[in-house]
Amino acid sequence: AQTVTQSQPEMSVQEAETVTLSCTYDTSESNYYLFWYKQPPSRQMILVIRQEAYKQQNATENRFSVNFQKAAKSFSLKISDSQLGDTAMYFCAFTAPQGGSEKLVFGKGMKLTVNP
Amino acid sequence: DVKVTQSSRYLVKRTGEKVFLECVQDMDHENMFWYRQDPGLGLRLIYFSYDVKMKEKGDIPEGYSVSREKKERFSLILESASTNQTSMYLCASSLPARRTVNTGELFFGEGSRLTVL
Repeated sequence: AQTVTQSQPEMSVQEAETVTLSCTYDTSESNYYLFWYKQPPSRQMILVIRQEAYKQQNATENRFSVNFQKAAKSFSLKISDSQLGDTAMYFCAFTAPQGGSEKLVFGKGMKLTVNP
Repeated sequence: DVKVTQSSRYLVKRTGEKVFLECVQDMDHENMFWYRQDPGLGLRLIYFSYDVKMKEKGDIPEGYSVSREKKERFSLILESASTNQTSMYLCASSLPARRTVNTGELFFGEGSRLTVL
């Protein structure tokens, strides 16, 4: 079974700083996808960034980038120039559609607070 | 924009009551999901549906059932609510891998916070 582990339950950072959120996963699948989702307070969960396992290049989306280490099964999210609007729960997630099911497995989440 | 609408943001029910949580999406997605979110436990999958009348158990299906009679609607049913089902329930939808390059991108509703007394 696939598992996703987020070991840091909570972090805080000052506005404009850079912060890195860690995530590890375990799978026996060779082709899979990894995600970071963001859940702002009292708002809907949204996708932040997505990485295909077969791509060596790390995904980037504006201020958000990932460090994907396939051999180590590590998938960290770096947020540059943190903004107050980045305050949210962040969830790491995994799916391996070729394994037969397209469901996503989520980590336990991490609460990020960006302070002014 | 994809819209996933959950019928109730907040519900308060009594132990033993039958509870229906409704979810509707407007983007013709085949996949629909019900997750439960609890502090410190993250999101846990209750049930997953990949087409009308098709369903698959998730990690915590006990005490729940689902219905998918129409493509756009996925209902979660608590046959006899218990206090340990007090939680936030999140519905999500997605396109199947064969229909998208964005495999795994889920679109979520705002959530239904259920309290069972």
